[in-house]
Amino acid sequence: NAGVTQTPKFQVLKTGQSMTLQCAQDMNHNSMYWYRQDPGMGLRLIYYSASEGTTDKGEVPNGYNVSRLNKREFSLRLESAAPSQTSVYFCASSFGQDYNEQFFGPGTRLTVL
Amino acid sequence: RKEVEQDPGPFNVPEGATVAFNCTYSNSASQSFFWYRQDCRKEPKLLMSVYSSGNEDGRFTAQLNRASQYISLLIRDSKLSDSATYLCVVNSLLGSGNNRLAFGKGNQVVVIP
Repeated sequence: NAGVTQTPKFQVLKTGQSMTLQCAQDMNHNSMYWYRQDPGMGLRLIYYSASEGTTDKGEVPNGYNVSRLNKREFSLRLESAAPSQTSVYFCASSFGQDYNEQFFGPGTRLTVL
Repeated sequence: RKEVEQDPGPFNVPEGATVAFNCTYSNSASQSFFWYRQDCRKEPKLLMSVYSSGNEDGRFTAQLNRASQYISLLIRDSKLSDSATYLCVVNSLLGSGNNRLAFGKGNQVVVIP
């Protein structure tokens, strides 16, 4: 089992460019999440998908969109990148939303110039 | 008041010593509590869940105090490999009725030879 995988590992964008971060899990989990982690801020939830076919906003959704492509895959899109979106992005998954452990991918380090 | 508060440290601990730290949470309705470990430039990983009765896993002991709304983690006989950031994590309800995890900023532990 690969667990949770993310691509790319690193990315540099110019302001205004768009990109999609990919996430996949092979644990048959129902719920998937996207977080960003900034120095001194802790992990903040951007969007989540409680189950296949549903997505909902988290704490900091502005500037992002998501797609739950199927049970395995959950992508995060930046339509017009801004320097404030420079961060480390983590995807996570869990069996369900009720108190279950979340498993994290290795992260994507994004810099927006 | 922040949802989850932790003293970031760093906590410099001599090898073999005991270190303990607390985390406070603001939502009295929270039901699930966890400690995650995050190594430098890596993803968070579950260290242990925290139960009402307290629980122990080897050299690690976690306690929950619902009345005062804090969680503690104690590490005995510290090893160099314990150097990491320890994230306090609490579940909370979203307006949609779904659960989400709120992460503290972490306690940074540095074990010194």
